[in-house]
Amino acid sequence: QSVLTQPPSASGTPGQRVTISCSGSRSNIGSNYVDWYQQLPGTAPKLLIYSNNQRPSGVPDRFSGSKSGTSASLAISGLQSEDEADYYCAAWDDSLNGVVFGGGTKLTVL
Amino acid sequence: EVQLVESGGGLVQPGGSLRLSCAASGFTFGSYAMSWVRQAPGKGLEWVSVIRGSGDITYYADSVKGRFTISRDNSKNTLFLQMNSLRAEDTAVYYCAKRRGFNGYDQPDFDYWGQGTLVTVST
Repeated sequence: QSVLTQPPSASGTPGQRVTISCSGSRSNIGSNYVDWYQQLPGTAPKLLIYSNNQRPSGVPDRFSGSKSGTSASLAISGLQSEDEADYYCAAWDDSLNGVVFGGGTKLTVL
Repeated sequence: EVQLVESGGGLVQPGGSLRLSCAASGFTFGSYAMSWVRQAPGKGLEWVSVIRGSGDITYYADSVKGRFTISRDNSKNTLFLQMNSLRAEDTAVYYCAKRRGFNGYDQPDFDYWGQGTLVTVST
């Protein structure tokens, strides 16, 4: 059972907008930044969003992040087939003194 | 160009030990915190440990505390993970990851990852 809670799956059709939620607590999301990763099959994770809503260079602006209280969300607009991947949220946890990840959400592009 | 190359994985019996290495290049290694993150076959990401750039601060996941030790040699741009008393549940691909942010250690904004090294704990 992961400390951060994500839906196990999400889906959408090309061009659609999808959101993936990440729920935590006061000691992690409530007190610290949230970061998001995309992992394509057989590859290392890729940083998608850092510090709640910042995109590293090279990440399309179709990807956006937000945070409110103890929850965060990743939104993907203009869904493309290449967005089919696993997505993970992560945050530092002040009580555990460590990083916690969500369980991951498998995004399917129909 | 930033590169992280892990090595040292392999098959080990339960109770055994392994030492993973991560050779870094393309950035000022000693200025950035580094972490180990693992992924069991077919499972999600699990953070293992972090070490600050200077090497003076380390933290571990409860699942490995007392068994694993993270360290670094900034003169050789290399990160290590000494794994003792290995268990079947430690079987995973182990990634080293560089923090994006300068100097801090308490945010999982890992902008570069290695290719991973597979550790299999089995008889």
